[in-house]
Amino acid sequence: EPEVTQTPSHQVTQMGQEVILRCVPISNHLYFYWYRQILGQKVEFLVSFYNNEISEKSEIFDDQFSVERPDGSNFTLKIRSTKLEDSAMYFCASRDSSGIAYEQYFGPGTRLTVT
Amino acid sequence: GDSVTQMEGPVTLSEEAFLTINCTYTATGYPSLFWYVQYPGEGLQLLLKATKADDKGSNKGFEATYRKETTSFHLEKGSVQVSDSAVYFCALQGANAGGTSYGKLTFGQGTILTVHP
Repeated sequence: EPEVTQTPSHQVTQMGQEVILRCVPISNHLYFYWYRQILGQKVEFLVSFYNNEISEKSEIFDDQFSVERPDGSNFTLKIRSTKLEDSAMYFCASRDSSGIAYEQYFGPGTRLTVT
Repeated sequence: GDSVTQMEGPVTLSEEAFLTINCTYTATGYPSLFWYVQYPGEGLQLLLKATKADDKGSNKGFEATYRKETTSFHLEKGSVQVSDSAVYFCALQGANAGGTSYGKLTFGQGTILTVHP
């Protein structure tokens, strides 16, 4: 069964450094998402991406964040200058354009630790 | 804006007990409702879904009915197993009257379920 993959599984970085989290969505999917989950808290929407542009973003997704689909398979989340509060599990998700309930498929997540 | 409220956890049950995890929502338009499950060390997996009022989603013995009048989508299972131990998230996806959506999911805070033998 096709699945969403994410790399790395765990990233440790120092405050102020740039990080890039990588995702490979399911190949025929057209909508892509990033969510994050701070330890012990709810899963929060960051951004959705469709047709090579951001379709919606949350208040969390400020100028420090950017997303890109650099080729036909990867979908990346970049944090330019990490802060301690960026420590969280980051989930990528994708869905295709069909389906009544627009089901999203999630990757296993990247745990980001900012020290 | 849209929001989802789940019952406070954690929930601890013995094997074969009945499970209910309450979920209520606030949304405009015509949301779809979901339950996702997160097993230890894994990502989120869709457990079941419902797209309109009175729909019942079901999977692996779990059920939830979309109740528009009470804005609820409670998760139930008649007989839980140790393997059901996980975190359960209720979520909604908003949609406008035309049924279109970019798909943003709004999650509840999650309920930790532990089932003992």
